[in-house]
Amino acid sequence: DIVLTQAPLSSPVTLGQPAYISCTSSQSLVHSDGNTYLSWLQQRPGQPPRLLIYKISNRFSGVPDRFSGSGAGTDFTLKISRVEAEDVGVYYCMQDTQFPYTFGQGTKLEIK
Amino acid sequence: EVQLVESGGGLVQPGGSLRLSCAASGFPFSSYSMNWVRQAPGKGLEWVSNIHSNIRTIHYADSVKGRFTISRDNAKNSLYLQMNSLRDEDTAVYYCVREWFGEFNWGQGTLVTVSS
Repeated sequence: DIVLTQAPLSSPVTLGQPAYISCTSSQSLVHSDGNTYLSWLQQRPGQPPRLLIYKISNRFSGVPDRFSGSGAGTDFTLKISRVEAEDVGVYYCMQDTQFPYTFGQGTKLEIK
Repeated sequence: EVQLVESGGGLVQPGGSLRLSCAASGFPFSSYSMNWVRQAPGKGLEWVSNIHSNIRTIHYADSVKGRFTISRDNAKNSLYLQMNSLRDEDTAVYYCVREWFGEFNWGQGTLVTVSS
């Protein structure tokens, strides 16, 4: 199985400042079709997960442009350019390149 | 608007069975692969099962293989998860998730509690 390792596991951030979350895969996430199926999810307290970014860097419908994704191969990053209060929650990376689909452990974003 | 509404969760004893349903609307259900993903209380996300739009191609997590069965009824726009031989560690919120080449839409989830 592909293991996704996130860092940090907890991130206290000042409002208006950037936040970075990394996700490292135990093997390449490049699919045979040439795409890399690495996504980022946000889960606010008491809510279901919500897709933010798919295929490394594509923002999902309705996602603010302060969220961006980058990376390639086995190393990926989610950036929030200016953290807002509504961004508090847990962020997960997820791979759907191969079965079983797997998730990172989650990174808890808190406001300082 | 895409809507995924799970139902069928509840309290069940260890060794018991439960059938979850997911009613889909707002999109051509038969064209999409569908997944079940679960989240134990206070824990992270765990993928459970996937069924392709062709119905024939199915995948399971090792933790549920042989105990859970995913199915779909395209005429009813519905996804199902039959869960047998339930264990304490199956306690979780179960989410119905639509998939399209990396794009995922999530339902609100239904809570399954396995306890005596």
